[in-house]
Amino acid sequence: SQQGEEDPQALSIQEGENATMNCSYKTSINNLQWYRQNSGRGLVHLILIRSNEREKHSGRLRVTLDTSKKSSSLLITASRAADTASYFCALYGSGNTGKLIFGQGTTLQVKP
Amino acid sequence: DAMVIQNPRYQVTQFGKPVTLSCSQTLNHNVMYWYQQKSSQAPKLLFHYYDKDFNNEADTPDNFQSRRPNTSFCFLDIRSPGLGDAAMYLCATSRYPRGQGAHEQYFGPGTRLTVT
Repeated sequence: SQQGEEDPQALSIQEGENATMNCSYKTSINNLQWYRQNSGRGLVHLILIRSNEREKHSGRLRVTLDTSKKSSSLLITASRAADTASYFCALYGSGNTGKLIFGQGTTLQVKP
Repeated sequence: DAMVIQNPRYQVTQFGKPVTLSCSQTLNHNVMYWYQQKSSQAPKLLFHYYDKDFNNEADTPDNFQSRRPNTSFCFLDIRSPGLGDAAMYLCATSRYPRGQGAHEQYFGPGTRLTVT
């Protein structure tokens, strides 16, 4: 399957703690993207990391990519209740199709 | 603000009664996508337009059709909705110069479809 597999499926933490979500995949990729989805809403793009990059930061977000292990992780530091959402990794394959394949997502609950 | 707009936000239709969902964008992006998302699942790509070129996913049922009359608008037509078509339908856009890899996608808020 080209779909990313996310781990864990659900994560519950206290406000202020860090949250780490992982995405593993099997195909070669051009880039990997992370999205957030609040309940009942559309997805919001967080970070895009290209296959030749190893780490990217955006505010409290840190994404790593290990193409040798075919895995990526999303770290949210100092989490807030507002970070409660589902987080999806999405793969853009090397086939240049313009399509993203989304993983099943990790549901994050941050308790105040 | 530039954005992706979906109307209506909530749509109730009867079993077998055709329904059309609409999407518009002010981003001037050349690619528009339609996704179906069922509860607690990943968004599933139904089809996308690269400019005027229509690209259908192999497993998208024939019951689902799409139209893109111009750059800004895209429609999803469900010809005979079944109970299994109840879902959130998401429209997204992207700027995608051929050969340069996919850029990020910008999503609308979605239309929640209920089939009675």
